[in-house]
Amino acid sequence: NAGVTQTPKFRVLKTGQSMTLLCAQDMNHEYMYWYRQDPGMGLRLIHYSVGEGTTAKGEVPDGYNVSRLKKQNFLLGLESAAPSQTSVYFCASSYRQGHTYEQYFGPGTRLTVT
Amino acid sequence: EDQVTQSPEALRLQEGESSSLNCSYTVSGLRGLFWYRQDPGKGPEFLFTLYSAGEEKEKERLKATLTKKESFLHITAPKPEDSATYLCAVHPYSGAGSYQLTFGKGTKLSVIP
Repeated sequence: NAGVTQTPKFRVLKTGQSMTLLCAQDMNHEYMYWYRQDPGMGLRLIHYSVGEGTTAKGEVPDGYNVSRLKKQNFLLGLESAAPSQTSVYFCASSYRQGHTYEQYFGPGTRLTVT
Repeated sequence: EDQVTQSPEALRLQEGESSSLNCSYTVSGLRGLFWYRQDPGKGPEFLFTLYSAGEEKEKERLKATLTKKESFLHITAPKPEDSATYLCAVHPYSGAGSYQLTFGKGTKLSVIP
């Protein structure tokens, strides 16, 4: 089991460029999430998905779009990158455990927007 | 508003010196509280889930406990390889179908040989 994988690991963009981050999981989890992590801010939820074909907004969704066409993949898109989107992006997946959901994280993508 | 506060922000321990990390939380209701370990340049690694006050879980040198207002991560006789940032997160009851966790900012633990 590879768990949760993310592509790419690093990326540098210029302001206004677009890109897509790919997340894949092989644990057959229903739920998937995209977070960003900034110094002093903790992890913040961008978007999430509760199943194939569904997406929902999290705490900081502006400037991002997502798609979940297949159960195992969750894509995060930046249509027009801004320096404020410089961050480390983590994907996570989870299954339901009782009333809650244990989330398992990928290794992260470090994005710099200049 | 749901809040999670971790203390201290940073902790330096000598190898073998036991201590505790604190996670205080304010939520309308708690579905679960999670502890993660994060090494530099890596994603958070799941450690524990706690569901109700009084619950305890252990893994090697780590023991997590939960009360109605806070959780502690006790580290017994730590080793240098326990150095990492430890994150706490809560899953509150915020309406039906809520899937969002609220994370604390973490405690950076350094264990000196």
